[in-house]
Amino acid sequence: QLLLQESGPGLVKPSETLSLTCTVSGGSISSRSYYWGWIRQPPGKGLEWIGSMFYSGSSYYNPSLKSRVTISLDTSKNQFSLKLTSVTAADTAVYYCARVISGSTNWFDPWGQGTLVTVSS
Amino acid sequence: SYVLTQPPSVSVAPGKTARITCGGNNIGSKSVHWYQQKAGQAPVLVIYYDSDRPSGIPERFSGSNSGNTATLIISRVEAGHEADYYCQVWDSSREHVIFGGGTKLTVL
Repeated sequence: QLLLQESGPGLVKPSETLSLTCTVSGGSISSRSYYWGWIRQPPGKGLEWIGSMFYSGSSYYNPSLKSRVTISLDTSKNQFSLKLTSVTAADTAVYYCARVISGSTNWFDPWGQGTLVTVSS
Repeated sequence: SYVLTQPPSVSVAPGKTARITCGGNNIGSKSVHWYQQKAGQAPVLVIYYDSDRPSGIPERFSGSNSGNTATLIISRVEAGHEADYYCQVWDSSREHVIFGGGTKLTVL
């Protein structure tokens, strides 16, 4: 059974960089069948896709966040990471990592439990 | 950019059928995926490729997609189905994942 677990600071100061890690167990992120992605959800609001990455380095990012986002994979640790620079209060959200099933379309399954990141001084 | 429109809320009596719509321009030409998110929990995939169910998802969950509307159908609704439901597509022209705004299902 594939499990994903997010980790990282729960509080980030404005203008700083948000950094999160997703640890994958029960499967390899080097799989040629899947991408690995991040999605976020501001409190009381809907889901927003952040970006997805393949083990080869191929990636897709939400255009609205692309200038501030980096996703990377560490195959030696079976982890992938998210960095979001220059954060503001609008970046306060629950951040989820997920496996991305990709082909002619993309969907997310399974998801991690999520981690709340608050941007505040 | 491509927009998915969901009704903010749908209410249904126990034992009845709930239909949650997801509107988009010619959405029938895209594959639609649906997620269930119960309060305080992570989303769970309940339908992919318009109407396929992942293993472990009951047959009471089904889906359809045609024209400008995709629909998630939950038959014999029970209290445990109360949740937010999100539709999602892949915009291949922009290489962009899009989520609908979500629909809160209330069981009366």
